[in-house]
Amino acid sequence: EAGVAQSPRYKIIEKRQSVAFWCNPISGHATLYWYQQILGQGPKLLIQFQNNGVVDDSQLPKDRFSAERLKGVDSTLKIQPAKLEDSAVYLCASSFTTGQGSEQYFGPGTRLTVT
Amino acid sequence: AQSVTQPDIHITVSEGASLELRCNYSYGATPYLFWYVQSPGQGLQLLLKYFSGDTLVQGIKGFEAEFKRSQSSFNLRKPSVHWSDAAEYFCAVVLNQAGTALIFGKGTTLSVSS
Repeated sequence: EAGVAQSPRYKIIEKRQSVAFWCNPISGHATLYWYQQILGQGPKLLIQFQNNGVVDDSQLPKDRFSAERLKGVDSTLKIQPAKLEDSAVYLCASSFTTGQGSEQYFGPGTRLTVT
Repeated sequence: AQSVTQPDIHITVSEGASLELRCNYSYGATPYLFWYVQSPGQGLQLLLKYFSGDTLVQGIKGFEAEFKRSQSSFNLRKPSVHWSDAAEYFCAVVLNQAGTALIFGKGTTLSVSS
């Protein structure tokens, strides 16, 4: 079974530029999460989708971050404009259901460096 | 404040020695509890989880964890560490009344010496 795919794996941009990350979840997984992992910290939820609807985006900085999950499969996360503090690893995860015991499977992440 | 605490930032263990990584949580009700491992350049992998029932939980790769309600703890253990266990370990919770997103501790980096 293929895992969660993310691209690109690494990205370096200058502040005020824009960037987009792509995630392809495991086939059949209805729930998709984007987490931000800053160096030295644990991942923090940015946004959660159930199919193509947003379940929780309370921690998404909406003035600069946006995300979509068209057709309830792939998802993109965009930052515009980027700030230095956005340097982090962006992790995508998916799960089969929304049950609280449903295991989340993580992709390898995209490491973003903002200079 | 509500939180997940991993008191040890970095631990070094000799190969073959036993390991215990600590995790404490501060929430009103017992959350769902998880341990994940993150190896360099790889995604997070679930080691084990606890929802209810037997407080000693067995996971993959020879790991186990014990839930202690009185101490609000969920410590991860392994009787004999292998060099391949060197990685970062995260304790995480899902709050019963707050959706399904994981709330992570800051992680503990495990180094294994020969």
